[in-house]
Amino acid sequence: TQLLEQSPQFLSIQEGENLTVYCNSSSVFSSLQWYRQEPGEGPVLLVTVVTGGEVKKLKRLTFQFGDARKDSSLHITAAQTGDTGLYLCRGLREYGNKLVFGAGTILRVKS
Amino acid sequence: EAQVTQNPRYLITVTGKKLTVTCSQNMNHEYMSWYRQDPGLGLRQIYYSMNVEVTDKGDVPEGYKVSRKEKRNFPLILESPSPNQTSLYFCASSLRSGLAGEGDTQYFGPGTRLTVL
Repeated sequence: TQLLEQSPQFLSIQEGENLTVYCNSSSVFSSLQWYRQEPGEGPVLLVTVVTGGEVKKLKRLTFQFGDARKDSSLHITAAQTGDTGLYLCRGLREYGNKLVFGAGTILRVKS
Repeated sequence: EAQVTQNPRYLITVTGKKLTVTCSQNMNHEYMSWYRQDPGLGLRQIYYSMNVEVTDKGDVPEGYKVSRKEKRNFPLILESPSPNQTSLYFCASSLRSGLAGEGDTQYFGPGTRLTVL
């Protein structure tokens, strides 16, 4: 059982569409990060959220940390083919100070 | 250029033949970590190191060894590889180990794809 459940596992959309991917848990997290991984490369950090209810924007990407700090979402507006990749969330679980990764969401944006 | 390097990038070996995957970072980071990535399971931590001569087990340490004799290097050793260790391996480093801010950004190497026959 994953401590951080990501959904959907796979998403294939057309360029220009909007999408949201989720990272959920039954545990409370002190903070959470989102990474993007492209084929043949290691993950690269996109954002860190630390406060419940926090919203951060990175161009067309909007990240939200749930009020209870048990979940997070990543929303992409007007997806581009360059957004294709594996999106991973990584969290620091408050209880036990454990760092965990979710299994990831594979996003494919078609032109 | 700040980076984490891993070698080799690809390796095919046979069961029982000892191998080492090297990892080096040039950012003077204290925290280094090894992960394996498998479909549907995400990134699972094998071992981590808080500093020189300080290493600890992650979630899936069985069958692996590490050492941290110098700050920049953190090799992963498979004494007797088995087919279930076929995977994509990533080394990562960060200034700190937590998630509170910029110092906690993990920088990943490009990965080593290992196949054990």
